[in-house]
Amino acid sequence: NAGVTQTPKFQVLKTGQSMTLQCAQDMNHEYMSWYRQDPGMGLRLIHYSVGAGITDQGEVPNGYNVSRSTTEDFPLRLLSAAPSQTSVYFCASSYRDSPDYEQYFGPGTRLTVT
Amino acid sequence: AQTVTQSQPEMSVQEAETVTLSCTYDTSESDYYLFWYKQPPSRQMILVIRQEAYKQQNATENRFSVNFQKAAKSFSLKISDSQLGDAAMYFCAYRSVILTGGGNKLTFGTGTQLKVEL
Repeated sequence: NAGVTQTPKFQVLKTGQSMTLQCAQDMNHEYMSWYRQDPGMGLRLIHYSVGAGITDQGEVPNGYNVSRSTTEDFPLRLLSAAPSQTSVYFCASSYRDSPDYEQYFGPGTRLTVT
Repeated sequence: AQTVTQSQPEMSVQEAETVTLSCTYDTSESDYYLFWYKQPPSRQMILVIRQEAYKQQNATENRFSVNFQKAAKSFSLKISDSQLGDAAMYFCAYRSVILTGGGNKLTFGTGTQLKVEL
């Protein structure tokens, strides 16, 4: 049981490049989400999914796309990277969309956009 | 919208001593959940403790306990017998109960960096 995995751990992009941050979980969790962590701002929700085929926007969705074709995977796509997207990105999952179930976080991806 | 405030960017504690981290929040809801997460240098977010607002009894997990003051909207974390491994960033977080179908969204504070000194 690997829990929540994220790849890559580090990434440097140039402005305008695109990339996909990968997130996978092997716990059969319905709920998955993406947060970004910036200095002095805590973690902010980007997008989330309550099940395969269902996604919705969080607090800061602009510049990011997601899809959920399987229960296990929830990739985050940056279509045209901007320096403002320099951040640490965390994927999280829980069994159900309920605070009764603990959210498990991945190890994070540190992204730098130059 | 709910907000979570952690007014102490940094705290220090001597090993084996007790330290209290502060958290206040703003909400118009009567039922909700509050959490404390620990983030060590590895960046891994680890759930420390959870409190349900309708429960008056303060949550405890081994050396970690909370002082939940609902009327004051305060949710402080007390760490007893501090250990070197407690050194980390600690985040307070809020989760609405009413928000169904809207995601298990956590609203985080800005964090408190805890240093543990020998």
